[in-house]
Amino acid sequence: NAGVTQTPKFQVLKTGQSMTLQCAQDMNHEYMSWYRQDPGMGLRLIHYSVGAGITDQGEVPNGYNVSRSTTEDFPLRLLSAAPSQTSVYFCASSYSGGRSGNTIYFGEGSWLTVV
Amino acid sequence: GDSVTQMEGPVTLSEEAFLTINCTYTATGYPSLFWYVQYPGEGLQLLLKATKADDKGSNKGFEATYRKETTSFHLEKGSVQVSDSAVYFCALSTGGSQGNLIFGKGTKLSVKP
Repeated sequence: NAGVTQTPKFQVLKTGQSMTLQCAQDMNHEYMSWYRQDPGMGLRLIHYSVGAGITDQGEVPNGYNVSRSTTEDFPLRLLSAAPSQTSVYFCASSYSGGRSGNTIYFGEGSWLTVV
Repeated sequence: GDSVTQMEGPVTLSEEAFLTINCTYTATGYPSLFWYVQYPGEGLQLLLKATKADDKGSNKGFEATYRKETTSFHLEKGSVQVSDSAVYFCALSTGGSQGNLIFGKGTKLSVKP
């Protein structure tokens, strides 16, 4: 029962470096998304995808890139890391988002520090 | 736009006390409403949900009722335990949000023995 798997769990980056946060789900979900969690801000949507080959921006997309070449995988790329991107990142998946009460499943999170 | 407002935390209670965490929302259309819980060092887990007015979601002794007239979805539990210590997030999803969740800022609950 893997569910939504994120790697790495912890990462420290230097300003200007690039990296990719990996996300995979084994539930054949069409919908996947990335959120970031910051103290006092709740979770904010970065990017989402409603199916392979389709991505769209969320509330805070700047500095991040995504692609969806398969149903299972939805990697999040930081193009040139900045201290403001220090955060906890969560990947999520669902059959069709939260419409009609569909449950959205979350990964365990990736703690990223940019120094 | 759509939004969720939760009561500010942190909330500190003694074991067996009654818990209420207030949540109100603004949304066009008819949102689905959710409560998620995040235990220390872990990801988010769905606690309960409701999809239409007057629906009551319940799980693990927690309850919340979808009140359209007051646009609220308050979380309640009659007797909290130390193991309920966590951060609780209220969230909504609408067709207008493309099925994405819009979260409140979260309420941290600490239960003391």
